[in-house]
Amino acid sequence: GDSVTQMEGPVTLSEEAFLTINCTYTATGYPSLFWYVQYPGEGLQLLLKATKADDKGSNKGFEATYRKETTSFHLEKGSVQVSDSAVYFCALTNTGGFKTIFGAGTRLFVKA
Amino acid sequence: DVKVTQSSRYLVKRTGEKVFLECVQDMDHENMFWYRQDPGLGLRLIYFSYDVKMKEKGDIPEGYSVSREKKERFSLILESASTNQTSMYLCASSEPGQATNYGYTFGSGTRLTVV
Repeated sequence: GDSVTQMEGPVTLSEEAFLTINCTYTATGYPSLFWYVQYPGEGLQLLLKATKADDKGSNKGFEATYRKETTSFHLEKGSVQVSDSAVYFCALTNTGGFKTIFGAGTRLFVKA
Repeated sequence: DVKVTQSSRYLVKRTGEKVFLECVQDMDHENMFWYRQDPGLGLRLIYFSYDVKMKEKGDIPEGYSVSREKKERFSLILESASTNQTSMYLCASSEPGQATNYGYTFGSGTRLTVV
C-alpha cells in the first residue's frame, strides 16, 4: 500500500541555519504531496503542496519539489527562525482524495 | 476564517466510560475524518465520512464508532474507553475532489487521557 517515510527527529538547529527534512513515498497512481506543520498545542496546518511531478510548492520561505524519479518531497528552508519550531508532517493524498497517508512527523527545534 | 472546531482541548476519562468527541466544521464540506496522533506513529485514520449518515472504517477502527447526523458535525465515540486509547485525536474535513489540491483542514485536537 501507499506509504510515507520521513527522517526521524528531533532536528535541532541554530537560528539562520539551513533546514532539510527528508521525505520519500511509495504510491500507486499520481498522488498529491503535502507538508503540514503543527505548532505546539495546535492541530495541523497546510504548509505547502505539489500536485504533479516537478511541481515546486513554497510558502513562508519553505520549499519542496515533487520528484517522481526519486519518489521524494524534501522540505527545505534557507534560514530558519525560532518561530519555525514545530512538528512537520509529510503526506500524500491519493487521486480520490479520500485517503491521506502521513509520515511519522519530524520535530524541529530552533535555538536563538 | 474557515474552521474545524473540536469541542474539548483536554479530556480525562476513566476506563470503561463511554466517551464522545465532537467536531464541527463551518465550510459545508462533505468529507470529514477522525485521526489519532501518537509519537513516532504519525496520524492514523480511524473513520471517515463522505456524506450525512455515511461512514467508512479507516486503518484502526477497533474500539471506536462514529456518528454523522448532520453535515457539519462528526462525532467519534469510544464505546468503552481503555488506557491504550490515550492519545491526541484530530478531526479534519475536505471537499470531495479538492483534497488533492487544497489538502485537509484540521481542528486543534483533543488530548484524551484514559485513567
